[in-house]
Amino acid sequence: AQTVTQSQPEMSVQEAETVTLSCTYDTSESDYYLFWYKQPPSRQMILVIRQEAYKQQNATENRFSVNFQKAAKSFSLKISDSQLGDAAMYFCAYRASEAGGTSYGKLTFGQGTILTVHP
Amino acid sequence: NAGVTQTPKFRILKIGQSMTLQCTQDMNHNYMYWYRQDPGMGLKLIYYSVGAGITDKGEVPNGYNVSRSTTEDFPLRLELAAPSQTSVYFCASTQRGGPELTDTQYFGPGTRLTVL
Repeated sequence: AQTVTQSQPEMSVQEAETVTLSCTYDTSESDYYLFWYKQPPSRQMILVIRQEAYKQQNATENRFSVNFQKAAKSFSLKISDSQLGDAAMYFCAYRASEAGGTSYGKLTFGQGTILTVHP
Repeated sequence: NAGVTQTPKFRILKIGQSMTLQCTQDMNHNYMYWYRQDPGMGLKLIYYSVGAGITDKGEVPNGYNVSRSTTEDFPLRLELAAPSQTSVYFCASTQRGGPELTDTQYFGPGTRLTVL
């Protein structure tokens, strides 16, 4: 079974600085997808960024980028120029590839990292 | 565009009571999911549906039931509420297959349920 581990229960960063959130996962599959979701106090789950395992290039979305190390099964999220609105719980999630699989799109989540942004 | 809507937002139940959590999506997505999130934890899959009339169990289905009579609606039923079901419940949907081939799950705002 796939597992996702976020080893940092809490992180903090000063406004305008950069912070990196860690995520490791365990899978025997070669094709899969990884995600970072943001959950603000409103509890809504918001997709931040997505990475396809078959792509070597790291995904970026504006101030958010990932460092995807497939061999190490590591998927960290870097937030540049942190803003007060970035404060939230961040979840790393894994989804198996559809091809030949029976995952039915199921997401496996890590435990989450609470990010605090200091003004 | 409403996306995924859930009702109610909050609910307190007594042990043994039953209730239905409603979930509706207006994006014509074929796949829908129910997750629960316990305090300080990630989400765990309760049930999922790949289309109207088709449902299946996820990781933690005990104590719950679902139905999918339409594409839009995917209600979650708690028959005999227990304190262990105190959690935040999220409904999500996505479109699998077809020209868009998106794998992005769209989440509702969640329902906070307390069982006393």
